Amino acid sequence: GAGVSQTPSNKVTEKGKYVELRCDPISGHTALYWYRQSLGQGPEFLIYFQGTGAADDSGLPNDRFFAVRPEGSVSTLKIQRTERGDSAVYLCASSLTAGGGGRTDTQYFGPGTRLTVL
Amino acid sequence: AQTVTQSQPEMSVQEAETVTLSCTYDTSENNYYLFWYKQPPSRQMILVIRQEAYKQQNATENRFSVNFQKAAKSFSLKISDSQLGDTAMYFCAFRYNFNKFYFGSGTKLNVKP
Repeated sequence: GAGVSQTPSNKVTEKGKYVELRCDPISGHTALYWYRQSLGQGPEFLIYFQGTGAADDSGLPNDRFFAVRPEGSVSTLKIQRTERGDSAVYLCASSLTAGGGGRTDTQYFGPGTRLTVL
Repeated sequence: AQTVTQSQPEMSVQEAETVTLSCTYDTSENNYYLFWYKQPPSRQMILVIRQEAYKQQNATENRFSVNFQKAAKSFSLKISDSQLGDTAMYFCAFRYNFNKFYFGSGTKLNVKP
């Protein structure tokens, strides 16, 4: 079946603009995660959804960042008043379940959106 | 705080040979999971192998195996019979609650023909 998809694959914007990044998880996956990967670094956790609700948003760097998942499937990461420091690859992942320790909580990643803020 | 350290920024190995990537972590948790992910130039993170901390037996997946030393908080990845397609960034990751991953900074592996 189809994997996790993210659109756009690349986004260039100007400082101060608003951007939206979209994630389509694997069908049937209840858990969805957003990560940010800066150049030369490993991914950093941003937020996790279980169904429609944000179960853990402790990784969001500030209130300019917001994410939604209104119908429990597609998610949108929204960044207001973008800054040059927001430039990174934004990764989305999904898993069939959350936690539990079994293989059903394995996270499958999308190809990411490369955001460049000029 | 949980930290994951990969001290080898870049490594090279000849095709068909064996290479070991190092990872150490720091945590006060007792029940957790460890992972190795591969990230090729396409950017898509691919799970290579996982290890549950409560299991003493080291995980293996075909050519990939780990050496998990819980007391030393060490989790190395061994790749046997290296193939050109193994060329990628490799990230060690730690998870102790349901969802939050902590990743290392990665090791770039080059497999040479």
